[in-house]
Amino acid sequence: DTGVSQNPRHKITKRGQNVTFRCDPISEHNRLYWYRQTLGQGPEFLTYFQNEAQLEKSRLLSDRFSAERPKGSFSTLEIQRTEQGDSAMYLCASVGAVFQETQYFGPGTRLLVL
Amino acid sequence: AQSVSQHNHHVILSEAASLELGCNYSYGGTVNLFWYVQYPGQHLQLLLKYFSGDPLVKGIKGFEAEFIKSKFSFNLRKPSVQWSDTAEYFCAVNELLAGTASKLTFGTGTRLQVTL
Repeated sequence: DTGVSQNPRHKITKRGQNVTFRCDPISEHNRLYWYRQTLGQGPEFLTYFQNEAQLEKSRLLSDRFSAERPKGSFSTLEIQRTEQGDSAMYLCASVGAVFQETQYFGPGTRLLVL
Repeated sequence: AQSVSQHNHHVILSEAASLELGCNYSYGGTVNLFWYVQYPGQHLQLLLKYFSGDPLVKGIKGFEAEFIKSKFSFNLRKPSVQWSDTAEYFCAVNELLAGTASKLTFGTGTRLQVTL
């Protein structure tokens, strides 16, 4: 399978704990996005990487959220001191060449904060 | 910031019925428009997209959409739905970020249920 992969697929944690999610984009896609989707809503943009540089962050991304893409390939999204409101599906998408704007999505990581 | 409106939240159709799902966006400039589909238990998949040219675009599985600039609309259509079309459908529009990149702004989605 050469699509976008995300791990873990499901995560249950207690409030106050830290969690980290991983996204592996399609090989050679240099742009990577994180979105969050809550029940009954469409995905909402969180942050964007071009290669290893994080170029845009949404106001939705509080100080407890941090994302990295250290070698310009896979990316991690960490949430510190989780809150119940962080419960959502976290989606990753990647895009290939410039001006090819189609984003390919991974299966997501569903987070439940108890 | 852009916004996308999908007015039909839940649609129930019988097999072979025709489908039209509405999508309106707020931005008046050049846009790229998308419809994504999410089948039960699966990830978001691209159904079709409009970048430029013919405003009537055809996608996978017999779906099509028409871009009407004057109405800021990009409605999704299918002449005859199948039970396997049961899914959630999301309209999205790109919004430019710095440089040449963009992000997607999604509507809230329409849940389509096709009955036998």
